[in-house]
Amino acid sequence: QQQVKQSPQSLIVQKGGIPIINCAYENTAFDYFPWYQQFPGKGPALLIAIRPDVSEKKEGRFTISFNKSAKQFSLHIMDSQPGDSATYFCAASGNTGGFKTIFGAGTRLFVKA
Amino acid sequence: NAGVTQTPKFRILKIGQSMTLQCAQDMNHNYMYWYRQDPGMGLKLIYYSVGAGITDKGEVPNGYNVSRSTTEDFPLRLELAAPSQTSVYFCASSFGQPNNEQFFGPGTRLTVL
Repeated sequence: QQQVKQSPQSLIVQKGGIPIINCAYENTAFDYFPWYQQFPGKGPALLIAIRPDVSEKKEGRFTISFNKSAKQFSLHIMDSQPGDSATYFCAASGNTGGFKTIFGAGTRLFVKA
Repeated sequence: NAGVTQTPKFRILKIGQSMTLQCAQDMNHNYMYWYRQDPGMGLKLIYYSVGAGITDKGEVPNGYNVSRSTTEDFPLRLELAAPSQTSVYFCASSFGQPNNEQFFGPGTRLTVL
């Protein structure tokens, strides 16, 4: 019930392509869904986040799509650039009997120049 | 602001040795967390704290201990190092509720031989 399943494990796209990373959760008590971006040798940093009262959120080239009934959400990166090459983690949190954030396993994205 | 700082950056331990990973934040955040990151496994919560003097176990607490005597500091103690504790350790903090953005430190890479 506390898992967040993320796919794919790795992704290679050409520059300008639109990589899509998918996540699914089980616990309906989750009410905050962030995406973190991590570059090699660095700690993760918040990229974009969404709450379940909206179905989509855009920030620059990054978009989260959220499907509450399916308990799924995804990250789309428009016009991807080599500088977007990083590991992306989806996560979910809420007042689920403990103040914890559950992270997906991560997706390693490589954008070819 | 320095944000979240961690020391050391790298450490090699022998089996059975002990050490303390240091974490400090200067953002006056109430919540602090320790995660470990293993390849392909995402971030697993070890311990967390909701304020000075209050700590609780996360998903993988065995072999670790924490204390939170001040708002700023949240050290992680390994008492009897084992090869299974070879990992990258991240400290993070957030303001107020855990649904808020978590700020991560740069990580400590620990190898137990």
